[in-house]
Amino acid sequence: EADIYQTPRYLVIGTGKKITLECSQTMGHDKMYWYQQDPGMELHLIHYSYGVNSTEKGDLSSESTVSRIRTEHFPLTLESARPSHTSQYLCASSDPDRGRTEAFFGQGTRLTVV
Amino acid sequence: QKEVEQDPGPLSVPEGAIVSLNCTYSNSAFQYFMWYRQYSRKGPELLMYTYSSGNKEDGRFTAQVDKSSKYISLFIRDSQPSDSATYLCAMTLINTGNQFYFGTGTSLTVIP
Repeated sequence: EADIYQTPRYLVIGTGKKITLECSQTMGHDKMYWYQQDPGMELHLIHYSYGVNSTEKGDLSSESTVSRIRTEHFPLTLESARPSHTSQYLCASSDPDRGRTEAFFGQGTRLTVV
Repeated sequence: QKEVEQDPGPLSVPEGAIVSLNCTYSNSAFQYFMWYRQYSRKGPELLMYTYSSGNKEDGRFTAQVDKSSKYISLFIRDSQPSDSATYLCAMTLINTGNQFYFGTGTSLTVIP
């Protein structure tokens, strides 16, 4: 069973607010990912990390930023939330160097910006 | 052209039916293939994971990979109402740094 946790599960916030979505995993995986998921659409990669102090932007343009100071923690921050940021955000991890090529997902954060 | 194509459905079947879910892909270099089940308002849960071509069975679920046709399938036998969910296919290859490519998901409803 995957041990990857996201908080909060649901968030409703006003336009212009700064928010941080938390993601933690206890599996010691090196690689972590943030995806955005909208109904009927494929998952879009917005950020990923290969390890501590390594972060890269994904294929979906995003105004968010991430950090990876510890292996287990990969928070995503929106400096100024907008209604267009309303979506489901999914955090995932994998560790192909230890034979865990598959992605393990958290339960997601459903963000609504009003 | 999308890397991975998946019929979004929706698919509705009676309880006990055999369900077949499919994805096609364009990149012949994909090596690892996954199926995820996602319930409403939850994160995707890994169901099946296969490497290269062949079949893999786990209980009522069978994953099949045909690399020559660039086609993967998930079969669900004796489908149950609890199988009602969206099913996502995914694939990856190591030399892209373990980037994943997902289908859009197929919505399945099993009617009691």
